[in-house]
Amino acid sequence: QQQVKQSPQSLIVQKGGISIINCAYENTAFDYFPWYQQFPGKGPALLIAIRPDVSEKKEGRFTISFNKSAKQFSLHIMDSQPGDSATYFCAAKGMSSTLGRLYFGRGTQLTVWP
Amino acid sequence: DTEVTQTPKHLVMGMTNKKSLKCEQHMGHRAMYWYKQKAKKPPELMFVYSYEKLSINESVPSRFSPECPNSSLLNLHLHALQPEDSALYLCASSQDVTVSQPQHFGDGTRLSIL
Repeated sequence: QQQVKQSPQSLIVQKGGISIINCAYENTAFDYFPWYQQFPGKGPALLIAIRPDVSEKKEGRFTISFNKSAKQFSLHIMDSQPGDSATYFCAAKGMSSTLGRLYFGRGTQLTVWP
Repeated sequence: DTEVTQTPKHLVMGMTNKKSLKCEQHMGHRAMYWYKQKAKKPPELMFVYSYEKLSINESVPSRFSPECPNSSLLNLHLHALQPEDSALYLCASSQDVTVSQPQHFGDGTRLSIL
């Protein structure tokens, strides 16, 4: 059972445009929602993360929007650049009873055209 | 550069070989993880160590044997692997399994089974 559902599977954006990736979850015990960026041949790198007591978090060109009632969260990449071309994974982590397990979405392959 | 170091970066082995993957972190983290990642898929959790004790084994075949010699090191011993075990093996660490803090990933070992 997919604990975190991510869409779209792939995304093509023009340079300077806005990239939006959406995720949804069912388990209300999740209390931490990170986004990871992965380049080919590299491990996933933490991009930005949010907790459910906050509705939005911004770091540079990257913003997470969080809707607790809808159990949805999304990543917005403003002024998208070719260097942002990578695979993005959303994830969710529950409270201590899940013993550190991270539940990943299936990933979004982002291509930014120059 | 990541703060989780994995060696070797690439490994090719036959189905009868025995080899080990190594992971090291010096962030003082007390939780360490092994993941398996196939192309265009999210990481799949294999094992979790908390304070050097195995806390999660995701029904991984016994041909994979994890070891945590101390709080900074994590090994994955491989024996009699199958071609379907070819994948990117990622190590990660976090402060603690009970705290909602990020997991930091290494760049992985690309494993090919002949």
